[in-house]
Amino acid sequence: DIQMTQSPSSVSASVGDRVTMTCRASQGINNWLAWYQQKPGKAPKLLMFAASSLQRGVPSRFSGSGSGTDFTLTISSLQPEDFATYYCQQANSFPRVTFGGGTKVEIK
Amino acid sequence: EVQLVESGGGLVQPGGSLRLSCAASGFTFNSHEMNWVRQAPGKGLQWISYISSSGSTIYYADSVKGRFTISRDNVKNSLYLQMNSLRAEDTAIYYCATQGGYSYGYSSVEWGQGTLVTVSS
Repeated sequence: DIQMTQSPSSVSASVGDRVTMTCRASQGINNWLAWYQQKPGKAPKLLMFAASSLQRGVPSRFSGSGSGTDFTLTISSLQPEDFATYYCQQANSFPRVTFGGGTKVEIK
Repeated sequence: EVQLVESGGGLVQPGGSLRLSCAASGFTFNSHEMNWVRQAPGKGLQWISYISSSGSTIYYADSVKGRFTISRDNVKNSLYLQMNSLRAEDTAIYYCATQGGYSYGYSSVEWGQGTLVTVSS
């Protein structure tokens, strides 16, 4: 199985901050990488697919990059509604996808 | 509007069985591949099963293979997960999700709100 490792596991930030989180795959996955946002008690929500494609309706302050084994999700200016946990998911071995452990974005 | 509504969760004893349902609306269910994904309390997400749009192709994670069975009824616009020989480690919120194709990078596009399964004596 392809292992996905996210870092940091949590980050404290203030509204307006630029926040970057990373996701590393145990082997190359081309650009088959998705990002999800999950708020407490809610279902995950697709933010980004194919590493850098923004899902419809997702604000442009979210951006993704990377290819191969190393990927990043950046929030250019953190908003109050962005405090959540973010998960990456590899789809290179579709349908046997795997998720990272998550990065929790907390209020500083 | 796409809606996925899971039901059937609850408390079950170890070794018991449960059948989850996912009612779909707002999209052409019979043309969409589907997944079940679970999340143990306070933990991350784990894919557990996939079914093609026709139901002819099915995959399972090793952790549930031989115990869980995914199925669908395209007339009733419903997805199912039959869970047998349940273990404490199966305790989780179970989500159904639509499977995106190439144009969505094979991501899970739409998710239900989840149903909680608790396996405990």
